[in-house]
Amino acid sequence: EPEVTQTPSHQVTQMGQEVILRCVPISNHLYFYWYRQILGQKVEFLVSFYNNEISEKSEIFDDQFSVERPDGSNFTLKIRSTKLEDSAMYFCASSPYTEAFFGQGTRLTVV
Amino acid sequence: DAKTTQPTSMDCAEGRAANLPCNHSTISGNEYVYWYRQIHSQGPQYIIHGLKNNETNEMASLIITEDRKSSTLILPHATLRDTAVYYCIVRVVTGGSYIPTFGRGTSLIVHP
Repeated sequence: EPEVTQTPSHQVTQMGQEVILRCVPISNHLYFYWYRQILGQKVEFLVSFYNNEISEKSEIFDDQFSVERPDGSNFTLKIRSTKLEDSAMYFCASSPYTEAFFGQGTRLTVV
Repeated sequence: DAKTTQPTSMDCAEGRAANLPCNHSTISGNEYVYWYRQIHSQGPQYIIHGLKNNETNEMASLIITEDRKSSTLILPHATLRDTAVYYCIVRVVTGGSYIPTFGRGTSLIVHP
């Protein structure tokens, strides 16, 4: 069964460093999303991406964040200068239309 | 989006049906009811969705009341692996984008 794949599963980075989280969505899906979940809190929407551009973004998705679909298969989330509060699970999702299918997440730890 | 209300937690015996309720009394005519679940620390998993008719798939059944103000997700024979947080989401489906927005959900514990 097709699935969304995220790498790495766990990343530790120093505060102020740039990180790139990678996702391979399900082939033929049209909509792509990033979410995050801080430990013990709700799953929070960050950004949606459709037709090679951002379609919606939340207040969390500020200038420190960017997304890209560099080669038609990968979908990346970049955090330019990480802060301690960026420590969270980051989930990528893709959707053919309405049902979203999530990856297993990347645990980002900022130290 | 219509607001949803779910119990904070529920428990169920293994092998029995788990019935998870959701209230969405302000739902409008073009809003769908979606259910997702999140097993501990994993990514959310889509379960089922519906507009007004009852729906069934290999994972669960969704029963929506006639007035659409509430719904119930039914796991017919719960197993220990169904222990998870279950999210009821009400959302308009438009042609451009659909974004699941997660609340606190119901923490279901299936016990032996």
